Formats: sequence, structure tokens, C-alpha cells
Amino acid sequence: QVTLRESGPALVKPTQTLTLTCTFSGFSLSTSGMCVSWVRQPPGKALEWLALIDWDDDKYYSTSLKTRLTISKDTSKNQVVLTMTNMDPVDTATYYCAGGYDGVWNYWGQGTLVTVSS
Amino acid sequence: EIVMTQSPATLSVSPGERATLSCRASQSVSSNLAWYQQKPGQAPRLLIYGASTRATGIPARFSGSGSGTEFTLTISSLQSEDFAVYYCQQYNNWLKLTFGGGTKVEIK
Repeated sequence: QVTLRESGPALVKPTQTLTLTCTFSGFSLSTSGMCVSWVRQPPGKALEWLALIDWDDDKYYSTSLKTRLTISKDTSKNQVVLTMTNMDPVDTATYYCAGGYDGVWNYWGQGTLVTVSS
Repeated sequence: EIVMTQSPATLSVSPGERATLSCRASQSVSSNLAWYQQKPGQAPRLLIYGASTRATGIPARFSGSGSGTEFTLTISSLQSEDFAVYYCQQYNNWLKLTFGGGTKVEIK
């Protein structure tokens, strides 16, 4: 059974750096073709892809947020970490991690709501 | 950047009726197109990938078609549990993975 769980702060202040951790089980990120992405969704709005890391440690970022994002993995811990710098109230959203093969996300975490407010 | 445009934004359908959702890409994505269903308070669920392949456990009433820039998700006979928001997503260009804006399927 595949599970993913996001963890991190529920509240961050403007200008702070957000660090989110995705802890997963049921698959290995060292398996060829496997990837994990972060996706966010502001309240009442559409899904927005943020970043992806694959089995080969290649990393891909949203063009509009590239300068603020860093994605990394710890294969031994089955974790993927996303950091986003210079948080702003417009970054308030539910943040999901999702896993799957070749860019197709079969598996999703339940999401974690991050509010940016002073 | 590949822009994904979904239409209509809202679709009102009676239970048992057919629903047809559209997704258009600003440039060709070949068949690298997925559909997701999202219900309130839940994470998205993969329905279709490769434009037309149903994911594991997805009922046969869901079908996808299209290639290049025009795609369709059809729900042949809407059940109560199908009222949700549906998103298309292209994965042809990993440098910029993009979702459409979503189509809300609501009860008529």
C-alpha cells in the first residue's frame, strides 16, 4: 500500500522560509521512472505544480517560482523536502506531495494547509 | 509554457446523464495528458493517463480521448459520487508541468 504524508508548519510569517517534508512508503524513489512532485492549491482555486524530483535526482521547477524553490530527496528515509523562500500571503494554500511514474501522479498525500500571515 | 484550457468551467448534469469535458493545450502534448478528479476537502485522484488509459480501479464509465492539443473526458452515466471538479494536466514537458483551470460538474 502506497502512502504519502506532508508535514510542516501550518502558519508562517511573510518573508520566512517554508520547509515541507513528504514522507512516503510503498515505493522507492530509487526505482527507475519514479518521481515525486509538490503541487499546491490556494483556497477555492486550481491546482498548481511546483516542483518535481525523479529517481535519478533530476529536479524540475515551476518557471514562475523557480528562484524560490528547492526540492531534495533522502532515499534512505523515503522523504522529499521542499523549501520555499520569501513566503507571501498569496502563497497561502494546501500543499500536496504526489508520487508516480513518468510524471503521472497515482498517489497523493492528504495535503497540508499553510497560511502565511503576520 | 504550455497553457491548458478547460471548458466549460461549470457543467450542470442530471444523474444518469452523460458528461463531456474538454481540455485544450496551447501546443501539442502528444498523448501525455492526465485527468484528475477532486472532491471537496480531498486530494486529487488520478482517473486517466496517456489520454485514454484508465488508472487502476477507475470505473469504465470514465473514458478519455484525444491527442495533440484536443482532449475529452467523458462520463457515460453520472453517478452521485461523480459530482466533483476535474482537472487535466500535461506531462509532455517536464520543465513546465501544467494543469488546466478545472471543470466543476454539478448536479442539475
